[in-house]
Amino acid sequence: DAGITQSPRHKVTETGTPVTLRCHQTENHRYMYWYRQDPGHGLRLIHYSYGVKDTDKGEVSDGYSVSRSKTEDFLLTLESATSSQTSVYFCAIRADREHSGGTRETQYFGPGTRLLVL
Amino acid sequence: GESVGLHLPTLSVQEGDNSIINCAYSNSASDYFIWYKQESGKGPQFIIDIRSNMDKRQGQRVTVLLNKTVKHLSLQIAATQPGDSAVYFCAENRPSGSARQLTFGSGTQLTVLP
Repeated sequence: DAGITQSPRHKVTETGTPVTLRCHQTENHRYMYWYRQDPGHGLRLIHYSYGVKDTDKGEVSDGYSVSRSKTEDFLLTLESATSSQTSVYFCAIRADREHSGGTRETQYFGPGTRLLVL
Repeated sequence: GESVGLHLPTLSVQEGDNSIINCAYSNSASDYFIWYKQESGKGPQFIIDIRSNMDKRQGQRVTVLLNKTVKHLSLQIAATQPGDSAVYFCAENRPSGSARQLTFGSGTQLTVLP
């Protein structure tokens, strides 16, 4: 599981309230990612981080912000939750895998957070 | 747009038979592919990967085949077991600016019948 934990694992909230999800890793990986997973869609990238205080937007970043104040923690915040943000959220880290001819970056995922916005 | 997709959303196989899960990709710049397994209520779990300089790679009971000519890859599971029941995703990894981007297919549900 690459030492990744997510909290909370389940959350029910109301429309308009702020929500923060936490991803914690214990193996000092530089890159961390937040994805959402919805029926009929593959995993879609929300934001990612390539170091402390270094973040960038992904495919579906609207309505989300992130922060990374230390290597081990990557926070995802929904400033004002909407029903369209009901989803399962996965955090991932990037680790290199050796192949003939070089390394390739592979992502390993946490257990997920199931969020319901009423 | 360019995307990773799967030919079949569901697949049912008898226990002990071999399973083949297919995936098509359209981005010729993709040079690395990963298969993930996702059990109900859990996060995706890495199974096997392959670089574009290879046609085949084997793991424990799993084999990934890559056909770059038709932009197709497949995951073969030998002697399928009940514990193999899950959703299987392929993902393509390609350079995107200063980083590498991982794009996922929507998944195939594999059901192993007793």
